[in-house]
Amino acid sequence: QQQVKQSPQSLIVQKGGISIINCAYENTAFDYFPWYQQFPGKGPALLIAIRPDVSEKKEGRFTISFNKSAKQFSLHIMDSQPGDSATYFCAASKGGSQGNLIFGKGTKLSVKP
Amino acid sequence: DAGVIQSPRHEVTEMGQEVTLRCKPISGHNSLFWYRQTMMRGLELLIYFNNNVPIDDSGMPEDRFSAKMPNASFSTLKIQPSEPRDSAVYFCASRLGGADTQYFGPGTRLTVL
Repeated sequence: QQQVKQSPQSLIVQKGGISIINCAYENTAFDYFPWYQQFPGKGPALLIAIRPDVSEKKEGRFTISFNKSAKQFSLHIMDSQPGDSATYFCAASKGGSQGNLIFGKGTKLSVKP
Repeated sequence: DAGVIQSPRHEVTEMGQEVTLRCKPISGHNSLFWYRQTMMRGLELLIYFNNNVPIDDSGMPEDRFSAKMPNASFSTLKIQPSEPRDSAVYFCASRLGGADTQYFGPGTRLTVL
């Protein structure tokens, strides 16, 4: 049973465009939703995270939108750059950030110059 | 800080052999996680330690896998005997108690022939 479903599997965006990655979850007990960024040959690194008491969180060019009723959240990358090319993972946990993370399967983003 | 250190970075072994993966968490971090990453299953939590004590090992696939954390600065993940289906990238991550972020190491790419 896949508790966190992520789409698309891969995404190609032109430089300057908007990249959008979506995730859906099933467990309403989840209360912490981070996004991780992974470059080839490296471990994942926390990019941005949100809790369900807010509907949106923005850090620079990266924004998480959260829809509690639909059990969905998404990552938007504005003004996408070639350096953003990486694999992005959404995740969810219960018990806040101290809970065990359940990861989506990842989205490979390629930003073309 | 050097970050989470994992060794070896690459391991190639033959089916039936014992494999030991090593992890040194970030100094001062008291939570340690072992993950496995494959194309088919994505990033899965295998086991989680808090203050050197295993808290949740429900993700350990079977008895062939074992993990230890003899002290706050060292952990091992052992597979005995190894099988081709164990081929994956294994990540170690650490977290400071009460903090949000898990810091991942660079991973060990294991190939079992």
